[in-house]
Amino acid sequence: QLQLQESGPGLVKPSETLSLTCTVSGGSISSSSFYWGWIRQPPGKGLEWIGSIYYSGTTYYNPSLKSRVTTSIDTSKNQFSLKLSSVTAADMAVYYCARPHCSSSGCFWNYWGQGTLVTVSS
Amino acid sequence: QSVLTQPPSVSAAPGQKVTISCSGSSSNIGSNYVSWYQQFPGTAPKVLISDNNERPSGIPDRFSVSKTGTSATLGITGLQTGDEADYYCATWDSSLSAWVFGGGTKLTVL
Repeated sequence: QLQLQESGPGLVKPSETLSLTCTVSGGSISSSSFYWGWIRQPPGKGLEWIGSIYYSGTTYYNPSLKSRVTTSIDTSKNQFSLKLSSVTAADMAVYYCARPHCSSSGCFWNYWGQGTLVTVSS
Repeated sequence: QSVLTQPPSVSAAPGQKVTISCSGSSSNIGSNYVSWYQQFPGTAPKVLISDNNERPSGIPDRFSVSKTGTSATLGITGLQTGDEADYYCATWDSSLSAWVFGGGTKLTVL
């Protein structure tokens, strides 16, 4: 069974860069059949897709965050990462890493990490 | 403001049926696969169902979906108190080249 686990600092100062890593177990990250994603949820609010990355390195980012987001994949560690620069209080959220299941009909987010809360505060 | 519009809350009595709507546009719901997620407080969302009523294993058939044009609807029959949760719709938006989520609907089973 595929499992995802987020890790990284739970506290980031305003204007600094948020960095998170998602470790994948129970399956290989090196598959062209899948892509990997980051989704966040501010406290008491809804879900917001941050971006997705394919094994090939192709990325898609939320247009509202694109200028501040970078994602990468480390196949040697079976991990993928998120960097969000110039954070503000609005970036405080639970950050989830996830992977969709895709069929000929489309995709849905089937695998989720447990989420990690990132607080932005000086 | 979410790209997909959901009612903030719905409620119904145990055993009854409830529907949750998700309204979008031709670039998202109108042309792409819609999926629905259930989220309990403090836990990660869990996919419930998607277009064609495709359900991951373990999801009961009390959950169903329908789609007409640029709107999708999640239906839950035989409501149970354990169904009290937040529900989200999601799909790919071809114009934005982005995944978009609805704002979420809180289901209360009275």
